[in-house]
Amino acid sequence: DVKVTQSSRYLVKRTGEKVFLECVQDMDHENMFWYRQDPGLGLRLIYFSYDVKMKEKGDIPEGYSVSREKKERFSLILESASTNQTSMYLCASSYPGGGDTQYFGPGTRLTVL
Amino acid sequence: QKEVEQNSGPLSVPEGAIASLNCTYSDRGSQSFFWYRQYSGKSPELIMFIYSNGDKEDGRFTAQLNKASQYVSLLIRDSQPSDSATYLCAVNIFGGGSQGNLIFGKGTKLSVKP
Repeated sequence: DVKVTQSSRYLVKRTGEKVFLECVQDMDHENMFWYRQDPGLGLRLIYFSYDVKMKEKGDIPEGYSVSREKKERFSLILESASTNQTSMYLCASSYPGGGDTQYFGPGTRLTVL
Repeated sequence: QKEVEQNSGPLSVPEGAIASLNCTYSDRGSQSFFWYRQYSGKSPELIMFIYSNGDKEDGRFTAQLNKASQYVSLLIRDSQPSDSATYLCAVNIFGGGSQGNLIFGKGTKLSVKP
């Protein structure tokens, strides 16, 4: 069964803090993605990775960075959290032979105060 | 700018009726089409995917694809209150080094009334 896990369901941080969101998949998928979802704006792609050590900017990378040191783990880093980064963060994974089907983790609801 | 458009709703149907959700997309090269269901506060879960023109049925769900019209739809037969959710249409991006990426619509909120 497909399994994508995220480190926290809910997270509260203060402005200026460095925030780490972790995503782990156990399906040996090459592709991993980070999105944020906000009311009225839908899902927006922040960063993605097609392989270990590889990363590509999505549509809204400003204020974020990522790390992929191992195939199963893709981390999203907020270098200095700001209130406008309060959002639902969703991780997803897929594999090249899987018809681009993406499987999502449960999400992390981040609040920045 | 590649786009996926959905009516935001809410779409309200009575229990037992057929719910029809629609989606249009701009990238003529797209080859894979997905419907995800998302309950409030939860993450999207895959319902169906379709690659070929025509209909694909899975239980109470039928996906319909018309590539010439760049149109994909989801029919839910015998709608149940538990089907009340937001339905996201997603389409793959063809070419440009973004293979494997999907563009998501903003979703249609469905409400099934008992």
